Amino acid sequence: DTEVTQTPKHLVMGMTNKKSLKCEQHMGHRAMYWYKQKAKKPPELMFVYSYEKLSINESVPSRFSPECPNSSLLNLHLHALQPEDSALYLCASSQGPTGGAGNTIYFGEGSWLTVV
Amino acid sequence: RKEVEQDPGPFNVPEGATVAFNCTYSNSASQSFFWYRQDCRKEPKLLMSVYSSGNEDGRFTAQLNRASQYISLLIRDSKLSDSATYLCVVNKPGGFKTIFGAGTRLFVKA
Repeated sequence: DTEVTQTPKHLVMGMTNKKSLKCEQHMGHRAMYWYKQKAKKPPELMFVYSYEKLSINESVPSRFSPECPNSSLLNLHLHALQPEDSALYLCASSQGPTGGAGNTIYFGEGSWLTVV
Repeated sequence: RKEVEQDPGPFNVPEGATVAFNCTYSNSASQSFFWYRQDCRKEPKLLMSVYSSGNEDGRFTAQLNRASQYISLLIRDSKLSDSATYLCVVNKPGGFKTIFGAGTRLFVKA
């Protein structure tokens, strides 16, 4: 079973709503990620936090706002989303920079988001 | 050229068959290579890391060829439960970016 936990597992929200996705990892990892995955496509990187600081923002629209309250927690705040934002949102973590040898990414089970 | 390219699927094989997937990558400086498995409507799960010397885990064997910049995954004695999408994953050197191949869908039939 994954040691990265995400809540909620399913979320339906209107285009004017504000909601948040939450992620927690208990592996002592220093890097945490948000990925977006659409059907029949590979995961697409959105944000990376390293040592609680935003390290990468892959030009994600501002209606998605990440937050890293501490080294174990990662949130994704959602506001004024569009129907095309409906997807599986995956949180992940790794011990360190994945560019180095041996740093594996571990995924949570994901949050299924539907924007209506 | 895509940074990571995988065999287009789907692969349809009978139980007990041996199936091989190939993956090529473009950045010769990449150091970390993985195969992930993703079941329908589930998260990707690490299947195995890929090492230069090749590595085996039960029915699964992964190989890395740095000179030709490709990675392979061999599944022997396929089971129905092996049906999934297999993602080739290569890490970009020096940072946090991980490049996923598009995935190869495997269907194992009785």
